[in-house]
Amino acid sequence: SQQGEEDPQALSIQEGENATMNCSYKTSINNLQWYRQNSGRGLVHLILIRSNEREKHSGRLRVTLDTSKKSSSLLITASRAADTASYFCATYRDNYGQNFVFGPGTRLSVLP
Amino acid sequence: DTEVTQTPKHLVMGMTNKKSLKCEQHMGHRAMYWYKQKAKKPPELMFVYSYEKLSINESVPSRFSPECPNSSLLNLHLHALQPEDSALYLCASRGDRGPDRSGNTIYFGEGSWLTVV
Repeated sequence: SQQGEEDPQALSIQEGENATMNCSYKTSINNLQWYRQNSGRGLVHLILIRSNEREKHSGRLRVTLDTSKKSSSLLITASRAADTASYFCATYRDNYGQNFVFGPGTRLSVLP
Repeated sequence: DTEVTQTPKHLVMGMTNKKSLKCEQHMGHRAMYWYKQKAKKPPELMFVYSYEKLSINESVPSRFSPECPNSSLLNLHLHALQPEDSALYLCASRGDRGPDRSGNTIYFGEGSWLTVV
């Protein structure tokens, strides 16, 4: 079963625009991780944000975390066609660092 | 090196066959995972091994049998599968550096595409 919910489920934008994806989760967390998956491929880890962090940057990626609202957002700036992929947030559902579950994901299409 | 290797990349098997999926990592990680992913869905957790012991089984049918022969290897034995078991099977691993295991990144392999006919 899933821990979080993402919205939108699908997002289509033009190259150069920014893409924002949101994730909500249900239980308290130590951290939240974002992954990218190109069609039919494995998951690539993008960024990890800890519960005591509010914002984190990595290149064109900006992740925010609001633990009071149990939500996170992933912003991709100046998107490229190569950013076309599915994006998932994931968290641990337990306190032992084992039960790692994914939200439903956002399918991003960046049109050239 | 943050690599998790899965073999085979593609597997077609009949419902009476016995086959295995293999996963290998050499990052010294002591937690390894199997996930199942259907098209346009998120990965679903199946099994977790911690220090070569099965710690989580998410009520997976017994036709899927995991095995962790050593800290680098993880197998998923398949027997008497159904067509609805056709999916992408993903292996992942996580290190235990630091006091907070959940603070470590989980790394995924490219997956094994399974088709049951």
